Amino acid sequence: QQQVKQSPQSLIVQKGGISIINCAYENTAFDYFPWYQQFPGKGPALLIAIRPDVSEKKEGRFTISFNKSAKQFSLHIMDSQPGDSATYFCAASRRTASKLTFGTGTRLQVTL
Amino acid sequence: GAVVSQHPSWVICKSGTSVKIECRSLDFQATTMFWYRQFPKQSLMLMATSNEGSKATYEQGVEKDKFLINHASLTLSTLTVTSAHPEDSSFYICSASSGGESYEQYFGPGTRLTVT
Repeated sequence: QQQVKQSPQSLIVQKGGISIINCAYENTAFDYFPWYQQFPGKGPALLIAIRPDVSEKKEGRFTISFNKSAKQFSLHIMDSQPGDSATYFCAASRRTASKLTFGTGTRLQVTL
Repeated sequence: GAVVSQHPSWVICKSGTSVKIECRSLDFQATTMFWYRQFPKQSLMLMATSNEGSKATYEQGVEKDKFLINHASLTLSTLTVTSAHPEDSSFYICSASSGGESYEQYFGPGTRLTVT
């Protein structure tokens, strides 16, 4: 009930393309869904997050789409750049200051 | 804002010794801090949750006597790996939350521990 499933495991996108990473959760008590970006040897950095009361949130080139009925959410990176090459983790939690349940991660490589 | 630091960034210790890792919230008060462990090319594994002034809550399978966590102030939490062994070698990451109405967790840069 605490799992968050993430796909794909790895992704190669050409510069300028759209990167799409998907996550699915089981626990309907989750009410906070962040995405983190992690570069090798660094800690994760909060990228963008969404609450279930909205279906989409956009910040710059990053967009979260949220489908509450399907219990799925996704990250779209528009106009992908080589500097976006990193590992992306989705996560979920069910209340404030609560532990996060992480997805397994997606290694994104943006080629020239 | 919302900066979390860790010290040291990397440490090498001999088997059987103990090592302490510090996690500090630099520009906010962290009512709750979390400690994670990450193996290469894997996801983050939560080890424990600590609230300021309270005993840490450990996840199932994490040895509380081996991984001592102290959250003595609203800006500092420490993780001490006692009697370290090579299998404890890993990337340890802390995160902090200001609590209240905030859901956000802010992560530190991580500490690479190598036990020889």
